[in-house]
Amino acid sequence: AQTVTQSQPEMSVQEAETVTLSCTYDTSESDYYLFWYKQPPSRQMILVIRQEAYKQQNATENRFSVNFQKAAKSFSLKISDSQLGDAAMYFCAYREGGGSNYKLTFGKGTLLTVNP
Amino acid sequence: NAGVTQTPKFQVLKTGQSMTLQCAQDMNHEYMSWYRQDPGMGLRLIHYSVGAGITDQGEVPNGYNVSRSTTEDFPLRLLSAAPSQTSVYFCASSYRGRVNEQFFGPGTRLTVL
Repeated sequence: AQTVTQSQPEMSVQEAETVTLSCTYDTSESDYYLFWYKQPPSRQMILVIRQEAYKQQNATENRFSVNFQKAAKSFSLKISDSQLGDAAMYFCAYREGGGSNYKLTFGKGTLLTVNP
Repeated sequence: NAGVTQTPKFQVLKTGQSMTLQCAQDMNHEYMSWYRQDPGMGLRLIHYSVGAGITDQGEVPNGYNVSRSTTEDFPLRLLSAAPSQTSVYFCASSYRGRVNEQFFGPGTRLTVL
């Protein structure tokens, strides 16, 4: 079974600085997708960024970027120019590829605090 | 569009009581699913549906029933609530061919005493 591990239960960053959240996963599949979700205190799950395993180029969305190391099965999230609104729980998630695979497997999350 | 809506936002039950958590979406999404989130853990899939009349079990289905009579609605039923079902429940939906773009509802916090 696929597993997703987030080894940092909590992280903190100063406003305007950069922080990297770690995620590793275990799978024997070659076709899969990886995601970072943000969950602010409102509880709403918000998709931040996603990466297709077949793409070598790291995904980027404005201040958010990933470092996808397929051989190492590592998928870290870098947040640049951190803002107070970035404070939230961040979840790494995995989905096996294929048209009938719908399940998202989540890590336990990393709580990010942004200090002013 | 209202997106994915869930009712109620909060609920307290006694052990053995039954209830239904409601989930609705107005985006004509074929795929809908239910997750539970427990403290210190990520979300775990309970049940999912790929269209009206079609449901299947996820990772933690025991104690929960679902049905999908319409595209819009996907209720989750607890037939006999147990304290172990205390959790936050999330509903999600997407187009069947765009499962990488799932929209989540705001969640229902359920406490079973």
